[in-house]
Amino acid sequence: NAGVTQTPKFRVLKTGQSMTLLCAQDMNHEYMYWYRQDPGMGLRLIHYSVGEGTTAKGEVPDGYNVSRLKKQNFLLGLESAAPSQTSVYFCASRLEGGPSEQFFGPGTRLTVL
Amino acid sequence: AQRVTQPEKLLSVFKGAPVELKCNYSYSGSPELFWYVQYSRQRLQLLLRHISRESIKGFTADLNKGETSFHLKKPFAQEEDSAMYYCAPWGSGNTPLVFGKGTRLSVIA
Repeated sequence: NAGVTQTPKFRVLKTGQSMTLLCAQDMNHEYMYWYRQDPGMGLRLIHYSVGEGTTAKGEVPDGYNVSRLKKQNFLLGLESAAPSQTSVYFCASRLEGGPSEQFFGPGTRLTVL
Repeated sequence: AQRVTQPEKLLSVFKGAPVELKCNYSYSGSPELFWYVQYSRQRLQLLLRHISRESIKGFTADLNKGETSFHLKKPFAQEEDSAMYYCAPWGSGNTPLVFGKGTRLSVIA
């Protein structure tokens, strides 16, 4: 039982390049989330999904797109990376309904030059 | 709008001293409240939740509805408590957890 995993762990991009971050969970959770963590800003929600085939915008969605084609995977895409997107990205998942625990992945450290 | 405030960015205490990490929320209704902890270069993990009323690693948190606060407390800080702490209220249904900006706790030997 791996929990929540993220690929890749580290990445360096040049401005304008694109990439996709993959989040996978093996706990059969309905809800999945993408956050970014920046010094002094805490965790900010980018996008989230309440089930397979659904996505919704969070607090800071601009410049990102997401897809949830399979229940266990939640992809975060950057179409044209900018230096302001340099951050640590965390994926999380939780069971549907109720005040249940949210499980986090190990994070992806992204640097955009 | 739903908001959570952690007023201290950094809190430094000596080993063995009491610790209180503050969290204030602005929510309609009665949210459930969580504290998450992130040790250096690790993933966030649940520390405790109000609904279970348990004590984890010596930490407790009391919900004060009158003051809309959910402060995290520990009577005697240990060096291994040094970490980033996030307060997170949960509203209802599909709403995501909203995290505060976090407080970095540094326990000095």
